[in-house]
Amino acid sequence: QKEVEQNSGPLSVPEGAIASLNCTYSDRGSQSFFWYRQYSGKSPELIMFIYSNGDKEDGRFTAQLNKASQYVSLLIRDSQPSDSATYLCAVRGRWGGKLIFGQGTELSVKP
Amino acid sequence: EAGVTQSPTHLIKTRGQQATLRCSPISGHTSVYWYQQALGLGLQFLLWYDEGEERNRGNFPPRFSGRQFPNYSSELNVNALELEDSALYLCASSLPTGDSEQYFGPGTRLTVT
Repeated sequence: QKEVEQNSGPLSVPEGAIASLNCTYSDRGSQSFFWYRQYSGKSPELIMFIYSNGDKEDGRFTAQLNKASQYVSLLIRDSQPSDSATYLCAVRGRWGGKLIFGQGTELSVKP
Repeated sequence: EAGVTQSPTHLIKTRGQQATLRCSPISGHTSVYWYQQALGLGLQFLLWYDEGEERNRGNFPPRFSGRQFPNYSSELNVNALELEDSALYLCASSLPTGDSEQYFGPGTRLTVT
């Protein structure tokens, strides 16, 4: 079992729709959860982080964390073609420091 | 505020040579992390430095090494390069706690021929 798992996609949504990206993790002691966006040929850009159970909203982005189910998700409302990228879920374990990344989900937003 | 900077942008080396990659963190950040992003393998943790000390190391051979300088900048050295070392090497920095968010630099693309 991989430590952090994501559907590789591609996930295709029409412009204006809600994109839902999902991530599960294996270490129940994990403390912090991050979503990065990576455009092709570029480095990852931090877009959301969440440390407590529940929802956290920032503009069009909502991160949701359920530690009991070991599940974290990212919702993108009113998706735009510029949101087309690979979204990386990252988890920091109980010992701090390093991030463990999923393989990423490729999102394509069609005009 | 300036972000994380890395140099060089691209590096081409021959198998068996050594490569040196450099990273300057965001001002005020004392922790520096190195990751490797190889095609098909995703982002893999390499090394974590904080206050000049190596705090953690990923599952990589000893020919991957590095250091952190008093100004918190960092260097990654890869000795005896192998073809499979070809990858994007990413540096990230964070505040001192080790629990805070990590911000990535633009990366160094290493090609080993």
